[in-house]
Amino acid sequence: NAGVTQTPKFRVLKTGQSMTLLCAQDMNHEYMYWYRQDPGMGLRLIHYSVGEGTTAKGEVPDGYNVSRLKKQNFLLGLESAAPSQTSVYFCASTLLGAGGPEETQYFGPGTRLLVL
Amino acid sequence: GESVGLHLPTLSVQEGDNSIINCAYSNSASDYFIWYKQESGKGPQFIIDIRSNMDKRQGQRVTVLLNKTVKHLSLQIAATQPGDSAVYFCAENPYSYNTDKLIFGTGTRLQVFP
Repeated sequence: NAGVTQTPKFRVLKTGQSMTLLCAQDMNHEYMYWYRQDPGMGLRLIHYSVGEGTTAKGEVPDGYNVSRLKKQNFLLGLESAAPSQTSVYFCASTLLGAGGPEETQYFGPGTRLLVL
Repeated sequence: GESVGLHLPTLSVQEGDNSIINCAYSNSASDYFIWYKQESGKGPQFIIDIRSNMDKRQGQRVTVLLNKTVKHLSLQIAATQPGDSAVYFCAENPYSYNTDKLIFGTGTRLQVFP
């Protein structure tokens, strides 16, 4: 049971390049989330998914797209990277969303992205 | 807007002492709170949670206290160890927004000295 895994661990992009961050969980969790973490700020929700085939916008969705084609995977895409997207990205999953009996979010190890 | 914040950005304690990390929340309708620990270069790790129908909950060496009157949450770590050095942050579930998302605080760095 690996929990929540993220690939890659670190990436450097040039402005305008695109990339996809992969999050995988093997806990059969329904809900998955993508956050970004910047110095001096709390985790900010980018997008989330309440189940396979569904996605929704979070607090800071602009410049990002997501897909949840399989229950265990949640992809975060940057179509045209900008320096403002330099950050640490965390994926999380939970059995059920807030309001349900299993609300604890389990986090992956993070992906460090540098956009030059 | 509604937010979760922390009073102290850095807390330094001596090994063996007790640590208290504080968190103020602004949404009086929130009824579920979580404390996370984040070590350098790692993702946040669940420590302990508490529901609003409780004012205290204990785990192994950790205790969370909830004061709904003043909207204050604290994490107490007994006999702090070097391995406790990390950033700690709280999160709340603002049910009043009918949302399935958590709001996270900015974090407090705990430094443990020998």
